Amino acid sequence: GQNIDQPTEMTATEGAIVQINCTYQTSGFNGLFWYQQHAGEAPTFLSYNVLDGLEEKGRFSSFLSRSKGYSYLLLKELQMKDSASYLCAPYSGAGSYQLTFGKGTKLSVIP
Amino acid sequence: GAGVSQSPSNKVTEKGKDVELRCDPISGHTALYWYRQRLGQGLEFLIYFQGNSAPDKSGLPSDRFSAERTGESVSTLTIQRTQQEDSAVYLCASSPLAGVSNEQFFGPGTRLTVL
Repeated sequence: GQNIDQPTEMTATEGAIVQINCTYQTSGFNGLFWYQQHAGEAPTFLSYNVLDGLEEKGRFSSFLSRSKGYSYLLLKELQMKDSASYLCAPYSGAGSYQLTFGKGTKLSVIP
Repeated sequence: GAGVSQSPSNKVTEKGKDVELRCDPISGHTALYWYRQRLGQGLEFLIYFQGNSAPDKSGLPSDRFSAERTGESVSTLTIQRTQQEDSAVYLCASSPLAGVSNEQFFGPGTRLTVL
């Protein structure tokens, strides 16, 4: 089975740094996706981690520890437009290649 | 280039009616997925198509739900005898080829409201 845990909501200040954690227990694991979803819009791809460690992409970085079943998304220099839900999605890499999404973390960036 | 498109964007129907939702994937994408997202909830996998292989229907919540896809083109999700709990946003996603890096490109979704 699949079990994904993320905080439901977070609030951070514009210009600050925020870390969104995700823990998961999955039957089979190949990698982990992070998606961003603005209210009323479709999810959009942010990152995909296969190997342990930190991958940086501009203001966003994503970390993975396969042995701990843990990932985080790090957002730097927060902007108001970063207010969105952030979805953690482990990928089993087998069978139907479906992603299992967590319920998402709703991030509110305040001035 | 064109992304994944879905129609209609909004659908309001009465309980007991059938509805059909359409998804046009990105051209050349062999894999197509349907998800459901209830208000305030995460994405719930419904069904997956990969080329001409048998679809993975393991996420369909009941036999009132069905989906079809012809080749690598358009897909339709049909909900028969709709119930109020079917109210949700139905999202379609496509990816180039299901494999190691399975980035999925999502459509804008169809918001279904069952009265």
